[in-house]
Amino acid sequence: ETGVTQTPRHLVMGMTNKKSLKCEQHLGHNAMYWYKQSAKKPLELMFVYNFKEQTENNSVPSRFSPECPNSSHLFLHLHTLQPEDSALYPCASSLRDFDNEQFFGPGTRLTVL
Amino acid sequence: RKEVEQDPGPFNVPEGATVAFNCTYSNSASQSFFWYRQDCRKEPKLLMSVYSSGNEDGRFTAQLNRASQYISLLIRDSKLSDSATYLCVVNIGNTGKLIFGQGTTLQVKP
Repeated sequence: ETGVTQTPRHLVMGMTNKKSLKCEQHLGHNAMYWYKQSAKKPLELMFVYNFKEQTENNSVPSRFSPECPNSSHLFLHLHTLQPEDSALYPCASSLRDFDNEQFFGPGTRLTVL
Repeated sequence: RKEVEQDPGPFNVPEGATVAFNCTYSNSASQSFFWYRQDCRKEPKLLMSVYSSGNEDGRFTAQLNRASQYISLLIRDSKLSDSATYLCVVNIGNTGKLIFGQGTTLQVKP
């Protein structure tokens, strides 16, 4: 049903692994977002991309590296993560980066061992 | 102090009840305000925007008090399908940088 898909839906990785999360939107939007949602905490914005250009980095550690090759795809490359990085990582998109209605994907549930 | 603060609940109400949720925000430069709804294990979806004059959408009424930095959502004649978590959301400037509250959980019982 959702116009925003994410893969994988679940990921377990060790602290020395390198993995990538993928987000794809089928809505013709130009802005995409990565969020983090930890247990009992609010959704927290990580990165914003508008027309493939990064417009916001919300003081995210460098072990998280985003990539936006085109307006429909967004990746989050992970390396040397910590157990406290275990969380749900939802992606979202909107028509433009100042639009307030964002459409969310189901998220990737990440567990770092 | 949290940027957007909500009572997490849960609020347990019978069908047909009227229930109100409150939210406060800390940044007086906030310009836009919203309520998002998140069903269990689902992604958040925009429920309604909140305007200074107050606005209504069917059984849902949203109010904004800029002086008190306070937002409310009133649900009348609650339905079982209203059971969800309601997220208070603020946009500081028109940047798309949404600040989410922790959410208030509503359980409507038959």
